[in-house]
Amino acid sequence: AQSVTQLDSHVSVSEGTPVLLRCNYSSSYSPSLFWYVQHPNKGLQLLLKYTSAATLVKGINGFEAEFKKSETSFHLTKPSAHMSDAAEYFCVVTEESNYQLIWGAGTKLIIKP
Amino acid sequence: DGGITQSPKYLFRKEGQNVTLSCEQNLNHDAMYWYRQDPGQGLRLIYYSQIVNDFQKGDIAEGYSVSREKKESFPLTVTSAQKNPTAFYLCASSIAHFGTSTDTQYFGPGTRLTVL
Repeated sequence: AQSVTQLDSHVSVSEGTPVLLRCNYSSSYSPSLFWYVQHPNKGLQLLLKYTSAATLVKGINGFEAEFKKSETSFHLTKPSAHMSDAAEYFCVVTEESNYQLIWGAGTKLIIKP
Repeated sequence: DGGITQSPKYLFRKEGQNVTLSCEQNLNHDAMYWYRQDPGQGLRLIYYSQIVNDFQKGDIAEGYSVSREKKESFPLTVTSAQKNPTAFYLCASSIAHFGTSTDTQYFGPGTRLTVL
């Protein structure tokens, strides 16, 4: 069965420094992978998704993620953090053979001024 | 503007009462979903509907019920049988149902339910 592990429950970075949010997945087949962002008390917004095309996926707000099959990872990065990036980020996996989205537990990104 | 609306934003319920959460979308999407979000956990699927007049249980359907009489509406009822209903509830929709594509799910702003 597929699963998703977000390796950090909280990540704290200073404004202007790089962001790395880590995600590992377990999947029997070719997965599709997503990153969603949730700002406080708001709904979820899709940041980016990987669906077996290019392994480096660019999303909104300067975020990108790289699919590494050998490492079963899909880490989210951004070169320079902005205060508005403070939110919770979810890594999600799904498979073509399966209807269900499997959600990671989330990583809270804290931006220090 | 197209989107998903959920109402109310905050809801308080006494133990033993049923309560219905509203979800409406004007995106002309076929598929709609209800999730529950608890602190420190990922989203868990309660129910989903691929088409009007059809819906399926997700992982945690016990104590919940839904209906899908119209394409744009997918209300969720939290019944008194749900043992721990206090949570944040999110509704989502997508163009097509699971299994045929990896369509993006679009989420509403959520309803925070508190049982007193």
